[in-house]
Amino acid sequence: DGGITQSPKYLFRKEGQNVTLSCEQNLNHDAMYWYRQDPGQGLRLIYYSQIVNDFQKGDIAEGYSVSREKKESFPLTVTSAQKNPTAFYLCASRPVGQGADYGYTFGSGTRLTVV
Amino acid sequence: KNEVEQSPQNLTAQEGEFITINCSYSVGISALHWLQQHPGGGIVSLFMLSSGKKKHGRLIATINIQEKHSSLHITASHPRDSAVYICAVDNTDKLIFGTGTRLQVFP
Repeated sequence: DGGITQSPKYLFRKEGQNVTLSCEQNLNHDAMYWYRQDPGQGLRLIYYSQIVNDFQKGDIAEGYSVSREKKESFPLTVTSAQKNPTAFYLCASRPVGQGADYGYTFGSGTRLTVV
Repeated sequence: KNEVEQSPQNLTAQEGEFITINCSYSVGISALHWLQQHPGGGIVSLFMLSSGKKKHGRLIATINIQEKHSSLHITASHPRDSAVYICAVDNTDKLIFGTGTRLQVFP
């Protein structure tokens, strides 16, 4: 079945360490997105990519980096520069340029705790 | 003021009740999405609307573009409907999310 796989589901890291969250999709979607969710707040966009080897900053990109070397993969690195990295991270994808029905598909998320 | 506002923030219901969750937005949109988030965190897309009304099983979503308002209705609610329901709008190729409505349905 097609979908988005995020791994791991839970991740613990020490303060000051970089950590990379995986997001893989087999839907042949062009666009991929990373969102952050904090309690009591709506999801906020970190980075997005509409095509391989290209990506744009979202609303809260500081302290994060991404790459898009393959269409199916969009890993997110949380760097030590991110001041408050403990959060729930969601990856999403959607097709581009296929007419009106361009709904999003979401992953199951990674809960990152920095201690 | 948030660009996407949902009400209520929390909702409890008895099994069988009719549920309505509201979403208002203040930006131009190309589509509006209703999403469901279960306690594990994963999100499922329920509806994508650009006009009118859509129905899927016991779920109905409506949108009024002129009033910038959408509603999600659940008929004959069931405990398995307990989740967070999130409204999100498509604005210049990006989603803007509401903060969600936490629904608990008791038997």
